[in-house]
Amino acid sequence: DVKVTQSSRYLVKRTGEKVFLECVQDMDHENMFWYRQDPGLGLRLIYFSYDVKMKEKGDIPEGYSVSREKKERFSLILESASTNQTSMYLCASSLGYRGNTIYFGEGSWLTVV
Amino acid sequence: GENVEQHPSTLSVQEGDSAVIKCTYSDSASNYFPWYKQELGKRPQLIIDIRSNVGEKKDQRIAVTLNKTAKHFSLHITETQPEDSAVYFCAAPRAGTALIFGKGTTLSVSS
Repeated sequence: DVKVTQSSRYLVKRTGEKVFLECVQDMDHENMFWYRQDPGLGLRLIYFSYDVKMKEKGDIPEGYSVSREKKERFSLILESASTNQTSMYLCASSLGYRGNTIYFGEGSWLTVV
Repeated sequence: GENVEQHPSTLSVQEGDSAVIKCTYSDSASNYFPWYKQELGKRPQLIIDIRSNVGEKKDQRIAVTLNKTAKHFSLHITETQPEDSAVYFCAAPRAGTALIFGKGTTLSVSS
């Protein structure tokens, strides 16, 4: 069974703090993704990666960066957290990004105060 | 970028009724159309998907239909049950990027 693990389920951070959201998958998937979920806006793609050290911008990359140093791990970084980044963040992985099932982690609820 | 449009945003039905959720996409090269179900407080999980070489796929009470000419696909749930209450997302791959999701449909099934 595919397992995508997000290390932090609930975080509260202060405005201006640097925030790291970590994600690990155990299925040797090439592709990993970060989505943001907000009520009424659905799941919006922030960044994705199709290989180690590779990254591509999604629809809402502003204010975020990512890191993929190992195949199984994909980190989302908020360099200077702002209140409008309060949201649910979902990590996902897949064997391919156009025609393959993606598997989600449990999500990380981030509140920026 | 090109979007996936999903309607309706909310849907309320009586137990036993059918529910239909519709999505349209714009990338004519898209060839894979999954549907995800997200129960309250849980992760989205794939419930059914369809590829562009078929027009319909069924799995028990759930079916998905695809009209490539019109660029739309639909989720059909028959004999709805209270446990079908959830948020449903459609998705399609966009050229050069990953799966792009619709904004979701909140389905409420009342008994």
